[in-house]
Order: sequence, then C-alpha cells, then structure tokens
Amino acid sequence: DAGVIQSPRHEVTEMGQEVTLRCKPISGHNSLFWYRQTMMRGLELLIYFNNNVPIDDSGMPEDRFSAKMPNASFSTLKIQPSEPRDSAVYFCASTEEVYYGYTFGSGTRLTVV
Amino acid sequence: LAKTTQPISMDSYEGQEVNITCSHNNIATNDYITWYQQFPSQGPRFIIQGYKTKVTNEVASLFIPADRKSSTLSLPRVSLSDTAVYYCLVGDLASGSARQLTFGSGTQLTVLP
Repeated sequence: DAGVIQSPRHEVTEMGQEVTLRCKPISGHNSLFWYRQTMMRGLELLIYFNNNVPIDDSGMPEDRFSAKMPNASFSTLKIQPSEPRDSAVYFCASTEEVYYGYTFGSGTRLTVV
Repeated sequence: LAKTTQPISMDSYEGQEVNITCSHNNIATNDYITWYQQFPSQGPRFIIQGYKTKVTNEVASLFIPADRKSSTLSLPRVSLSDTAVYYCLVGDLASGSARQLTFGSGTQLTVLP
C-alpha cells in the first residue's frame, strides 16, 4: 500500500499563475478530502468528496479555488489565479468509510511569490 | 458545531504516561471524537477514535466520560519520537458539512530525555 500520493511535493509559482495540485487516494477508499495548513489558520478542510462526488465545498476560500475528482483514483485542486496568501501546505486525505480515520498524504508545500 | 479546546503545549519525560485532555462542551449526539498526531513536514496520522467510554489500541487509549464534554488521550510510556502535535477532532462524520470536520489548534507535546 503506497498510501495517499500527492504531487508535487513543493511548488513555487508567481502570483497570477495557475497551480494544480494532484492527489491519488488509497485504492478502495471512497472518500477524499483536501485540507490546507498555515501557521495562522491551522488545518482547514477545503472540500470533501464521496464516491467522486463533491459533498461540501463550503470550505473552499473563494472562486479562484476549484477541485475535481474525475475518477476514484485521482483528484486535483486548482488555484487560478494564485496569490501570495495562498501559500500553505495542502494535504489530501482519503478514507474507505467516513467513520474511519483518514490517511493523509505528505502534502504539497505551495509558495506563491 | 462542537468547538474543541486543548492545551497549547505539554512537556513530558521519556517513559512517562502522558494524558492530553480536550474539552468539547457543546458536543452533539452524533459527534465522534478523533485524535491525530502530526510530525513536522508530514500529514496528520490517525491515532484513535471513539464515541463514549474507553477505547484502546496498540498505541493509545481514549477516555470519554459519560457526559462526553471532554476526552483524554493517554499515551503510555512516551519516547522522544512521540514529540509531535496532537489534534482533537470532534464532529458528525457523516454530516457532509465541511465545517464539521475542522481540526483545532492542537497540543504540541515535547518529550524530553
């Protein structure tokens, strides 16, 4: 079991550029979560998918953020256009059943300059 | 929405038992209590989850009193490698509401030699 795989591990981009973060959940897990972590705000849940369907995106900060899950093995979080305040570590997590604990990926450290 | 309160930091020595308490005075009937551990530059790792009374696994115990307004994570005989941030998470896992699944500020546990 390779765990939840996120790419890239680090991303540095210029303000205004589009950024795409990728996540491969654990096979068989039907729930997927995107979190953002900063020193100021801690861990924030952005969006939650169940069986590839977005259940609640009320945590997405604004329209510049979008997330998709085209199939059970892949999800993306896109920021367009990116801003310096988007700099954070973005985590993807998955679980086979919402009542079980989540397995987190190693995260993508995004820096927008 | 159940708000959680944890100590910001705790220190302990190797070999001691550590108890971290989380207050959640307005916990709802359907809420579960989950604890995660996070090392620097890594995603959170699930430790234990419970609804009431006591739950024990190979790494920790979780004590939940009858009123469920607090919970205590107990780590037996800690080692230096247990130095991490510990998060208490309270929420209705099946609610589908992103705001129900937000992490608190966590407790920085430092284990000293």
